[in-house]
Amino acid sequence: AQKITQTQPGMFVQEKEAVTLDCTYDTSDQSYGLFWYKQPSSGEMIFLIYQGSYDEQNATEGRYSLNFQKARKSANLVISASQLGDSAMYFCAMSRRGAGSYQLTFGKGTKLSVIP
Amino acid sequence: DAMVIQNPRYQVTQFGKPVTLSCSQTLNHNVMYWYQQKSSQAPKLLFHYYDKDFNNEADTPDNFQSRRPNTSFCFLDIRSPGLGDAAMYLCATSRGTAKSYNEQFFGPGTRLTVL
Repeated sequence: AQKITQTQPGMFVQEKEAVTLDCTYDTSDQSYGLFWYKQPSSGEMIFLIYQGSYDEQNATEGRYSLNFQKARKSANLVISASQLGDSAMYFCAMSRRGAGSYQLTFGKGTKLSVIP
Repeated sequence: DAMVIQNPRYQVTQFGKPVTLSCSQTLNHNVMYWYQQKSSQAPKLLFHYYDKDFNNEADTPDNFQSRRPNTSFCFLDIRSPGLGDAAMYLCATSRGTAKSYNEQFFGPGTRLTVL
């Protein structure tokens, strides 16, 4: 069975500083994907970034980068130059093969608060 | 813009009174998912449709049912809501490829209150 662990229930960061949100995972699959989603207080889940298990380079999307360390089974999200609008819940997720398609297993999330 | 739409955004029902939540998509995706997310918890997959094929998670209560009359629409029926069913219900879609990259596109959610 797959498992995603996010050990930081809450994080604070000063505006314009960088912050790292931790994510570790456990799986016996050889091929898998790792995702980060942002969930503002409005409730919508917003896709941020993806890393495939066979991707050799760390994924980057604008201010978001994923620090992928396969041997340690970690996929930490780095947000550079934090903005007030980054305050939200952040979920790490892993794709798993289910009936008919891949499905997502989510971690418990980290609540990020950006301080002016 | 292509998107996932959920109606209503807020739904109030009474204990035991059946309720239906709706989801529609303009992305023409094969797969539609329903998640339940309770306060301060991770989304929990209830079931999903791959085209017309229904796939139920093993621990989804029988009280939860779903219908997908066509590609665009999917409904979540809660036959007899209990107080424990109060939650945010998220609908998501994906292309349903055979690759591990399977980004899911989420709707804004419906927040269900049970009185």
